[in-house]
This record gives sequence, structure tokens and C-alpha cells, in this order.
Amino acid sequence: DQQVKQNSPSLSVQEGRISILNCDYTNSMFDYFLWYKKYPAEGPTFLISISSIKDKNEDGRFTVFLNKSAKHLSLHIVPSQPGDSAVYFCAARGSSNTGKLIFGQGTTLQVKP
Amino acid sequence: DGGITQSPKYLFRKEGQNVTLSCEQNLNHDAMYWYRQDPGQGLRLIYYSQIVNDFQKGDIAEGYSVSREKKESFPLTVTSAQKNPTAFYLCASSIGISHKVQFFGPGTRLTVL
Repeated sequence: DQQVKQNSPSLSVQEGRISILNCDYTNSMFDYFLWYKKYPAEGPTFLISISSIKDKNEDGRFTVFLNKSAKHLSLHIVPSQPGDSAVYFCAARGSSNTGKLIFGQGTTLQVKP
Repeated sequence: DGGITQSPKYLFRKEGQNVTLSCEQNLNHDAMYWYRQDPGQGLRLIYYSQIVNDFQKGDIAEGYSVSREKKESFPLTVTSAQKNPTAFYLCASSIGISHKVQFFGPGTRLTVL
């Protein structure tokens, strides 16, 4: 049972435009959400996070929005740059006792020059 | 220069052989994790450790074993009992088990022939 889902396997965007990556979850007990960026054959790098008590967090070109009633979060990248081309994973923390992160399947973002 | 080291980057083994993947961190983090990534899937938790000499099974622990004799090291053994061992293995660490952000190593690509 996939508790965290990224329903779009891939996304292509023109350089300078906005990229919007989406993530849905099923468990209302998740208390923290994170986005990671991953290049091929490398480990994921932490990008941005949001607590379940907030609905928006911004860091430079990256903004994460959380809609708890819809159990949906999204990552906005604006403006998109070719270097942003990577796989993006959303993750949710199930419990602070285990630190366990539950990951979505990932969305491959391609930013075209 | 703090970080997480995983070696080797690529590993080949014959079917039926046990193999140990190394993970070392010099971040002084208490908690460490092992994940597995398969194509088109998110990361799945194999084992995690909150402190030295303690570790817990994750979602897909069957066929794997770990040890945590030192704070800096969390090796993963893929045993012959693991039915489908070919995958990309990622080690991560966090300051503590309740800390939200996990930092990942570069990964080891294991291919069982």
C-alpha cells in the first residue's frame, strides 16, 4: 500500500518557467514532509521541508505547499534552471520515534534550455 | 570535510554469495539508516539504528543483516537469502532518531550475477 504517491513519473519544463511537482499521501498522522533531489547514481540531497502545522515554506527558488485537507503537497521551482534536471522525491515522516521516512516513487524533471 | 562514505560505488557478486556494503559517517550523527532503491520506485527502508549496538528492522529487512559496533559505521550484509538483491543501496544518517532530515551517502550499486 503506497502511502506516499507521486503520480507523475516525469515533467518537462522550459528554462525560466515554473516547475510544479506534486505528491499525495494517505496517512493524516504524518507530521513532517521533505523533498529530496537526486541525480543518477548519486544519493539524494535534501532540498526543503515543511511541518504539518504549516502550509507553506519557502527557500530561494523553492517553495513547498501543504494542503492537509487534500493530503497533498507540491514543490514549486521558479524560475526553473537546466541544473534542476533531476529526480525529485517527496517523503513523509511516519513517526518521530523511528525517524522512518516514507518515500514516493519520484518524478523526473527535465528543464530544457 | 564531513559526510557519508559508501564504498565501493559498484559491486558485482555471484548468486549465493553474501556481500557486505560499507557505510561510514563523520558527522557525529547518532542515527543511521539503510535504504534500497529499485527502478521506478521510491526508497524503501531496510534497517535503521538509533544508537551504537542497537538496530531495528525496517520494511524490507528479510535477507539482510546489519551491525552497529561503532557510531561512525553501519555495514549492511546482503545474504544469499535475499531473493532479489540487485539494487541501488543508500545509507543515510541523522543527528538523532527524531531529527527530521536525513543525509544520504552516494550509494552502492550491487549487481548479483
